[in-house]
Amino acid sequence: QVQLVQSGAEVKKPGASVKVSCKTSEHTLATYEINWLRQATGQGPEWMGGMDPKSGHIGYSQKFQGRLTLTRDTSISTAYMELSSLTSDDTAIYYCARRRSYNYTLGTLDYFDYWGQGTLVTVSS
Amino acid sequence: EIVLTQSPRTLSLSPGERATLSCRASQNVSTGYLAWYQQKPGQAPSLLVYGVSSRGIGIPGRFEGIGSGTDFALTISRLEPEDFAVYYCQQFGGSPPFTFGPGTRVDV
Repeated sequence: QVQLVQSGAEVKKPGASVKVSCKTSEHTLATYEINWLRQATGQGPEWMGGMDPKSGHIGYSQKFQGRLTLTRDTSISTAYMELSSLTSDDTAIYYCARRRSYNYTLGTLDYFDYWGQGTLVTVSS
Repeated sequence: EIVLTQSPRTLSLSPGERATLSCRASQNVSTGYLAWYQQKPGQAPSLLVYGVSSRGIGIPGRFEGIGSGTDFALTISRLEPEDFAVYYCQQFGGSPPFTFGPGTRVDV
């Protein structure tokens, strides 16, 4: 059973940073790309970025470039997302998700197959 | 950036009825890169369909995905009580960002 377990809710003031953790198995962290997404109330999920498990290369949405940092600690099988310079627009539920990507006869298949339970980040003065 | 538009935004149906949800992309999306997710209140999205038409693990046969190019659809043949939820289409495209549609709410 694949599990991604995220850290608890956070309340931050504008201008602060938040760091959310996503604990999974050694196998998942070493084999699959862990991506981060967020979802504001009443909206669809928004992709933020993801880390390649082999190279450590990180792909970011341009919207978050300069504010978003993705890291991992393989010794405890945990991925991290840190977002800085928070504003009220960053209030949302943040999710980690495992990206499954592989070749098949007609091309490449790509999807998010397992998600964490979500972490509510509230930015308020 | 590929923009996904979903319609209708809300679908009011009864158990046993058929639901058809539409997803239109602003550019062509390769077959392998189009997925559907279901989200129930207070829960994370969960994978329903990937590669346009392949069902995820444990997803019942009443969920069917079809489409190609820019037009895709998810059909639920006979709605069960647990199917009333919000459904999102999502694309990976050729490069980031990987976008989601705004969702279709299926309610009673």
